[in-house]
Amino acid sequence: NAGVTQTPKFQVLKTGQSMTLQCAQDMNHEYMSWYRQDPGMGLRLIHYSVGAGITDQGEVPNGYNVSRSTTEDFPLRLLSAAPSQTSVYFCASRPPGQRTNTGELFFGEGSRLTVL
Amino acid sequence: AQSVSQHNHHVILSEAASLELGCNYSYGGTVNLFWYVQYPGQHLQLLLKYFSGDPLVKGIKGFEAEFIKSKFSFNLRKPSVQWSDTAEYFCAVNAAGYSTLTFGKGTMLLVSP
Repeated sequence: NAGVTQTPKFQVLKTGQSMTLQCAQDMNHEYMSWYRQDPGMGLRLIHYSVGAGITDQGEVPNGYNVSRSTTEDFPLRLLSAAPSQTSVYFCASRPPGQRTNTGELFFGEGSRLTVL
Repeated sequence: AQSVSQHNHHVILSEAASLELGCNYSYGGTVNLFWYVQYPGQHLQLLLKYFSGDPLVKGIKGFEAEFIKSKFSFNLRKPSVQWSDTAEYFCAVNAAGYSTLTFGKGTMLLVSP
């Protein structure tokens, strides 16, 4: 298993551009999520999904869209990039079959985004 | 809503010193608690977790944490740190009824050789 795979690892955008961060997992995890990590702020939840066709907002959803058409993929879209979205983005997933709300997450290696 | 507070943003220790990192959460019901570690340039990895049972949990690399329900705390400890423990440490909570995991702001630990 490859685990949780994120692409790209690095990206530079200009203000107003759009892009998609890709996240894929091959572990049949039902739950997937996106976090952003900023210095002194820890990890903040952007969006999450408890299964294909279901998404919900986290703590900081504004400026981001997600979709979950398959169990494996959970892309994060920036519609019109802003400098405030400069951050490191982590995708994380959770195995099925655990006791409800156990919360243990498996993380991708991160995508570092800079918006000029 | 679930939230987590980590007491220290930065901790500097010498090798062989003892470590205790504070973590408090705010939620009155059943919780699952976690400590994650992020080594420089890497992604987060699970250090240890508490679901139920013995409030003293042991994790990888000699780390342990104690859940004290009356204090809403889940402090991380290690008797003797090593240079390789230099990393950022995150406490996280998953409260009953929530499908999400909420992280604290992290504590950056620097261990000098």
